[in-house]
Amino acid sequence: DVKVTQSSRYLVKRTGEKVFLECVQDMDHENMFWYRQDPGLGLRLIYFSYDVKMKEKGDIPEGYSVSREKKERFSLILESASTNQTSMYLCASVPGGMEAFFGQGTRLTVV
Amino acid sequence: GENVEQHPSTLSVQEGDSAVIKCTYSDSASNYFPWYKQELGKGPQLIIDIRSNVGEKKDQRIAVTLNKTAKHFSLHITETQPEDSAVYFCAAGSNYQLIWGAGTKLIIKP
Repeated sequence: DVKVTQSSRYLVKRTGEKVFLECVQDMDHENMFWYRQDPGLGLRLIYFSYDVKMKEKGDIPEGYSVSREKKERFSLILESASTNQTSMYLCASVPGGMEAFFGQGTRLTVV
Repeated sequence: GENVEQHPSTLSVQEGDSAVIKCTYSDSASNYFPWYKQELGKGPQLIIDIRSNVGEKKDQRIAVTLNKTAKHFSLHITETQPEDSAVYFCAAGSNYQLIWGAGTKLIIKP
């Protein structure tokens, strides 16, 4: 079975903290994505990666960065967390067929 | 920019009735149209998809139709059951990149 694992289900962080969200896939997929999900807005793409050390900005990259040092791991970094980054974060891994496999999501609250 | 509009945002149907969710896309280069179901506390999961060379696809109680000329596609669920209650997302795209609809919360009334 395909598996995408996000390191935390729930996180509470303080404004200004540096936050790391980790995502690991066990399927040897090249493509990995980070989305944020907000009510009424669907899934919005933050960053994606086609390969190790490769990254591309999505639609809403401001305030975020990413790291992909190994094929199976794609990390999302909030350099200085702000309250408007309170959201559900979803990681997805995509093989050649375009079906996206999602992790269970991380609900981040910034206080 | 490119976008996908999804309607309705909430849909409440009686158990056993049919449910239809509609999406319209703007990018004429889109050639892949998946539908995802997201249950509470979980990530979205693919339930059915269609490619632009096909007009309709069916899998048991679920079907998707695509009208490329009008740039819209729809999800049809027949004989709805309580376990169909979830949020459904449509998406449209190509080359691994998808634009997502805002989601439809489907409520199945007993």
